[in-house]
Amino acid sequence: EVQLVESGGGLVQPGRSLRLSCATSGFTLDDYAMHWVRQAPGKGLEWVSGSTWNSVTIGYADSVKGRFTLSRDNPRNSLYLQMNSLRPEDTALYYCAKGGTYYGAGFDCWGQGTLVTVSP
Amino acid sequence: QSALTQPASVSGSPGQSITISCTGASSDVGGYNYVSWYQQHPGKVPQLMIYDVSNRPSGVSNRFSGSKSGSTASLTISGLQAEDEADYYCSSYTSSSTVVFGGGTKLTVL
Repeated sequence: EVQLVESGGGLVQPGRSLRLSCATSGFTLDDYAMHWVRQAPGKGLEWVSGSTWNSVTIGYADSVKGRFTLSRDNPRNSLYLQMNSLRPEDTALYYCAKGGTYYGAGFDCWGQGTLVTVSP
Repeated sequence: QSALTQPASVSGSPGQSITISCTGASSDVGGYNYVSWYQQHPGKVPQLMIYDVSNRPSGVSNRFSGSKSGSTASLTISGLQAEDEADYYCSSYTSSSTVVFGGGTKLTVL
């Protein structure tokens, strides 16, 4: 069974940093693209960042470019999101999502999410 | 990276069919057959319903279908059921190697 479990969220002050982790199981991570998607309270889905299986292509939403960094450790079956210079508008539930064998594929499995709250 | 445009809400009666549109540009929806649709019930995790414009993952009802014309993609739900009431989001791969979502559509089953 494919499972994605996010961790690392919490309450943080504006300007500080946080690192999210996504532990994966039930599939071979280095066969798939992986993504981070967030959802602010009461709002819609927003794609944050994604990576091809080999990290050759890593994309970022304009809203986080230069502040967030996606990385992956395929042998450890883990995906990470380093978030720096956090802003109140980054407050959201952050989902880890499994893509396909190609970067444009849909996200066929999602974690339960980890909540990030940016507030003084 | 402008969000794809979806209607804020649609509604239909049980047994009817509804269609949700998703309008983008030549740099996303119009340029690639990488449009996906997600269903999200309140408080739940999104579920993939359609990928690559018109393909259904295993386990998704054949009442759900997808199509595309130019820069507008569509999700059609036929034989509407009460359990279909949810938020629906489209997404597309873009020429900037990013992904963009639509703003979401709330489906109400009357």
